[in-house]
Amino acid sequence: KAGVTQTPRYLIKTRGQQVTLSCSPISGHRSVSWYQQTPGQGLQFLFEYFSETQRNKGNFPGRFSGRQFSNSRSEMNVSTLELGDSALYLCASSLRGDSSPLHFGNGTRLTVT
Amino acid sequence: AQTVTQSQPEMSVQEAETVTLSCTYDTSESDYYLFWYKQPPSRQMILVIRQEAYKQQNATENRFSVNFQKAAKSFSLKISDSQLGDAAMYFCAYRIPAYDKVIFGPGTSLSVIP
Repeated sequence: KAGVTQTPRYLIKTRGQQVTLSCSPISGHRSVSWYQQTPGQGLQFLFEYFSETQRNKGNFPGRFSGRQFSNSRSEMNVSTLELGDSALYLCASSLRGDSSPLHFGNGTRLTVT
Repeated sequence: AQTVTQSQPEMSVQEAETVTLSCTYDTSESDYYLFWYKQPPSRQMILVIRQEAYKQQNATENRFSVNFQKAAKSFSLKISDSQLGDAAMYFCAYRIPAYDKVIFGPGTSLSVIP
């Protein structure tokens, strides 16, 4: 069974631009979560989707948004990029989204210049 | 507040020796699940071991085992017979079914000395 696939793996953007990251979960997994990982802040929860509905959101500004499609694939969008948005963005899928462990992708490394 | 603390930012262990990584957490919930994840330099997070809070028996997975002390809210990871491939960042985390997110600790960087 294929794992969680995130595209692209690397991205370089300039301040003020917007970016869309993509995540394809493991087949059969209906929950998709997004995390931002930085050396200073560690892993910070962004949001979680289950069956196309956002069930929880972390403490991030409205510039960070996401969505989930009927095939469980998810996208994350960041508008008006800031230097501080440079980070590794990790997507994780799980079977049900309650006690099921998270299965992570390789992440997208975003650099904002 | 829901927090996870890993008091050891860095640890090192000799190959074939045993090392214990500490983790404490704070929650008022009684139903939750605990995890240890490993993130090697390839950066993909890999689940190492999982523990249900309602189970008193400590989870084991080959060379990996946990010491779960629910009353103390402690969840340490023991790695036996350490191997070079165990070198990675280790994250302790928990998930509360009532909340749809996983809370991660800051991580412990483990080095394995040949």
